[in-house]
Amino acid sequence: QKEVEQDPGPLSVPEGAIVSLNCTYSNSAFQYFMWYRQYSRKGPELLMYTYSSGNKEDGRFTAQVDKSSKYISLFIRDSQPSDSATYLCAMSEVYSNDYKLSFGAGTTVTVRA
Amino acid sequence: DVKVTQSSRYLVKRTGEKVFLECVQDMDHENMFWYRQDPGLGLRLIYFSYDVKMKEKGDIPEGYSVSREKKERFSLILESASTNQTSMYLCASRWGLSNSYEQYFGPGTRLTVT
Repeated sequence: QKEVEQDPGPLSVPEGAIVSLNCTYSNSAFQYFMWYRQYSRKGPELLMYTYSSGNKEDGRFTAQVDKSSKYISLFIRDSQPSDSATYLCAMSEVYSNDYKLSFGAGTTVTVRA
Repeated sequence: DVKVTQSSRYLVKRTGEKVFLECVQDMDHENMFWYRQDPGLGLRLIYFSYDVKMKEKGDIPEGYSVSREKKERFSLILESASTNQTSMYLCASRWGLSNSYEQYFGPGTRLTVT
């Protein structure tokens, strides 16, 4: 079983819809949770990060962490064609000696105009 | 802005060739990483370096080696390229602070081994 599971999709939604992405994980020591966005033929770039449980909002993006269920989510409101990308979740233990991130496989999202 | 650059965007090599992939970052980051990205498998860590001349194996180091002679530069070497090393290779860097987890990625090198 992978340490981080993420449904690869693909996901296709009409413009203006809410996009819901999620990851599950098995390592209860994970404390930092991140979402990266990767446009086609580009490297991933950090979109949001959260520490421990709770919600974090940044404009149209909301990240949620439920540590009791080992489940994280990313919501994109009022989705735009420019949101079409692959979204990768990533997570890390606190005070990890080797600074590694564990990544999900990525979900490919297409927002149709 | 942090900039991570990779020497090639696309590379085609023959089986058995020695392949060098170079990565340069301009933010004085202590840590640097090499990943490969394959469909359905996500990013898998090949090697990382937490300082100059220091390196640690990641999850899939077999068939690869690395070199970090200068802080800003981290090279990935495929000693004898094989077709199963056809992949997207991503370099990343980050500060060495324990509370800084963000990794900054380069644009990637798509390597095809024929």
